[in-house]
Amino acid sequence: SQQGEEDPQALSIQEGENATMNCSYKTSINNLQWYRQNSGRGLVHLILIRSNEREKHSGRLRVTLDTSKKSSSLLITASRAADTASYFCAVLHNNNDMRFGAGTRLTVKP
Amino acid sequence: DAGVIQSPRHEVTEMGQEVTLRCKPISGHNSLFWYRQTMMRGLELLIYFNNNVPIDDSGMPEDRFSAKMPNASFSTLKIQPSEPRDSAVYFCASSLGSGSGNQPQHFGDGTRLSIL
Repeated sequence: SQQGEEDPQALSIQEGENATMNCSYKTSINNLQWYRQNSGRGLVHLILIRSNEREKHSGRLRVTLDTSKKSSSLLITASRAADTASYFCAVLHNNNDMRFGAGTRLTVKP
Repeated sequence: DAGVIQSPRHEVTEMGQEVTLRCKPISGHNSLFWYRQTMMRGLELLIYFNNNVPIDDSGMPEDRFSAKMPNASFSTLKIQPSEPRDSAVYFCASSLGSGSGNQPQHFGDGTRLSIL
């Protein structure tokens, strides 16, 4: 089924370093969304990038989309301990609902 | 503004009992989603409503699960009878629009359900 698949499954970095997470999908999309989930909490929307966009920024976040490769990346620059969370990409499924990948677990060490 | 409100936050009950999870979406949102999250299966969409009407319930695991949305400000997910394999965190989310994925979804903090 159509859903995003994140890579890597887990990522551990030092505070101040950049973190890059990738998402791949199988079929054409209208848009792709990235979410963050802190432990014990619900998902929080970060960025939506449309299929005709190639790059989008929000603060320390940068999302790219390559529709020819059916992939997206989320870059967090100058990471902080508070960025420790799981990050999910989500793509449309059957034009009716979004499907989430398994997520990347990011740990930022102080 | 209040976000999506779910209750209870935690539920522990014995197998065979009926479980009812509740959700209040963000005021003005017309799409509502129920998800289940487990370590093994990740985040699974169970059902979603648009304007209080169920649009896609193909993710509902079996007849023991049912969901209702009697009005725009309230939805329930019911499991009867419950089984240990239903143990998971259940999330409710809401969004503007028709649920086509062109709008971000806003999640509640979930109900952690444990069936003994």
